[in-house]
Amino acid sequence: GAGVSQTPSNKVTEKGKYVELRCDPISGHTALYWYRQSLGQGPEFLIYFQGTGAADDSGLPNDRFFAVRPEGSVSTLKIQRTERGDSAVYLCASSSTGRGGYNEQFFGPGTRLTVL
Amino acid sequence: AQSVTQLGSHVSVSEGALVLLRCNYSSSVPPYLFWYVQYPNQGLQLLLKYTTGATLVKGINGFEAEFKKSETSFHLTKPSAHMSDAAEYFCAVSDLNNDYKLSFGAGTTVTVRA
Repeated sequence: GAGVSQTPSNKVTEKGKYVELRCDPISGHTALYWYRQSLGQGPEFLIYFQGTGAADDSGLPNDRFFAVRPEGSVSTLKIQRTERGDSAVYLCASSSTGRGGYNEQFFGPGTRLTVL
Repeated sequence: AQSVTQLGSHVSVSEGALVLLRCNYSSSVPPYLFWYVQYPNQGLQLLLKYTTGATLVKGINGFEAEFKKSETSFHLTKPSAHMSDAAEYFCAVSDLNNDYKLSFGAGTTVTVRA
């Protein structure tokens, strides 16, 4: 079946602009996660959704970052007033439940965001 | 908060040689442990995981890892490297209280010499 998909695959924007990154999870997966991977580092947790609600948004770096999942499927990560430091690969993952220890998180290929 | 240390950002091995990637974690309570592989332009793929039970875990593509509580380690090995093993490998942990939240190491890039 189809895996996790993310669009766009690449996004180049200018400092100060607004961007939206989209994630389509595996059908039927109730849990969805966003991670950010900066150059030379491992992914860092941003936010976890269980259904439509954000169960843990403790990883969002500041209030310029926001994510939604209005129908419990597709999710959008929104970044306002982008800064050069936001440049990274944004990864989305989904799992059948939120219990990561027993349920594998399946990752998408990521969106590479470049802020000029 | 959990932290994960992967010793060596780059590892080069000859085809057919042993692959050993090191991972140490910081936790007073044994966490859940994972190894992921990332091929160019692809998403992270789970190689193997340890949750409970047997400390030697076998994964896909001939990889295995051993959880050693006394050493707080979860090193990944493969007896004989193949050219297709060239990729970036990430060790990750999650703790029992927030087991959905993966904390990743910085990754180790493996190159395989013919």
